[in-house]
Amino acid sequence: DADVTQTPRNRITKTGKRIMLECSQTKGHDRMYWYRQDPGLGLRLIYYSFDVKDINKGEISDGYSVSRQAQAKFSLSLESAIPNQTALYFCATSDPGTGGYEQYFGPGTRLTVT
Amino acid sequence: KQEVTQIPAALSVPEGENLVLNCSFTDSAIYNLQWFRQDPGKGLTSLLLIQSSQREQTSGRLNASLDKSSGRSTLYIAASQPGDSATYLCAVRPPSNTGKLIFGQGTTLQVKP
Repeated sequence: DADVTQTPRNRITKTGKRIMLECSQTKGHDRMYWYRQDPGLGLRLIYYSFDVKDINKGEISDGYSVSRQAQAKFSLSLESAIPNQTALYFCATSDPGTGGYEQYFGPGTRLTVT
Repeated sequence: KQEVTQIPAALSVPEGENLVLNCSFTDSAIYNLQWFRQDPGKGLTSLLLIQSSQREQTSGRLNASLDKSSGRSTLYIAASQPGDSATYLCAVRPPSNTGKLIFGQGTTLQVKP
């Protein structure tokens, strides 16, 4: 089984809908991240979390919220989806104690907002 | 502000050729640098991680080097194969405690049989 899993893998939704993307990891890492990838813009950080009680905004957090339900679970929500949130979303994990903060990525969720 | 650049954006080579992918960054104060591979529509696979105190890392046919003072890293792929065709991304981790990575735009490699 994959160490970092994301659900759903693909999602099409309409403008104004609330949507949640979920991430689970079995690596036992404390740190988890959400990125989005857009053609020509690369990957950009949305939110990150160092543990269940520590949530931080990244560079493009507007329009998004997150929840760290457990060490292994980190969810990203779009409260009211808009078309420019159409992108590929990645969850990642890292741990300072192993591999010096090497980051491990999930397979991604392709989100389309119509 | 740290910026990461990868040139060229795309590269096409015949099978068997040795090749070098380039990554440059504007601020030499980094914690580490990581090279990833991304297949179309897929996630990122970590290839190599180089700590700021290291000069290079090797894994199989891959060798990554780091020159912090000049703000450059290279990924050397020996004896390229069609299965190496993918987009290669480099990312730097600034020394802040956020742990976030700053990514380049990637180089899309095509290895022709």
